[in-house]
Amino acid sequence: AQRVTQPEKLLSVFKGAPVELKCNYSYSGSPELFWYVQYSRQRLQLLLRHISRESIKGFTADLNKGETSFHLKKPFAQEEDSAMYYCALMGGSQGNLIFGKGTKLSVKP
Amino acid sequence: NAGVTQTPKFRILKIGQSMTLQCTQDMNHNYMYWYRQDPGMGLKLIYYSVGAGITDKGEVPNGYNVSRSTTEDFPLRLELAAPSQTSVYFCASSHREYEQFFGPGTRLTVL
Repeated sequence: AQRVTQPEKLLSVFKGAPVELKCNYSYSGSPELFWYVQYSRQRLQLLLRHISRESIKGFTADLNKGETSFHLKKPFAQEEDSAMYYCALMGGSQGNLIFGKGTKLSVKP
Repeated sequence: NAGVTQTPKFRILKIGQSMTLQCTQDMNHNYMYWYRQDPGMGLKLIYYSVGAGITDKGEVPNGYNVSRSTTEDFPLRLELAAPSQTSVYFCASSHREYEQFFGPGTRLTVL
């Protein structure tokens, strides 16, 4: 079964501390993975996708097929990073996304 | 570009009532999706469409219907509202398997 697991509901760190939001997936095949973010009072938006191998707002995510993980990392958290983060897996040819339950990141001053 | 727009933003329904959630996109995307998000849960796919006139069921389609008569519009219909349909509903669109663009959501309460 296709599944995305985000084990942490809430992650609280201080400004300047490193951040790692965990994501594990279950998928038979070559997965396509994404991180979406929802800032307060804003709509859900794409943060990054593993195919792009890019860094957005200082965040990176590496696909580890051996551990079936796609953890999101940032070396120095900022207060403006506070948001809900969702890991998502592209589920099929129709392009739909399978979402994890989300992790709320709170960055304290 | 307005992107993906949804109306209404909020709605309270009584059990058994019906309503249509509207979704419109102005990006000429062929792919459109309806998700629901229950408290503390991830988004779950209700229905999707890969083009005008083509729709298909997602993971949780029961109690809902959709239509896609134009590229721009993808309304979601609730025929007999039930408390289990209390949720936040998100519409999204994409150009095939690329980035999905989301609407702001509709918060529905069924009492």
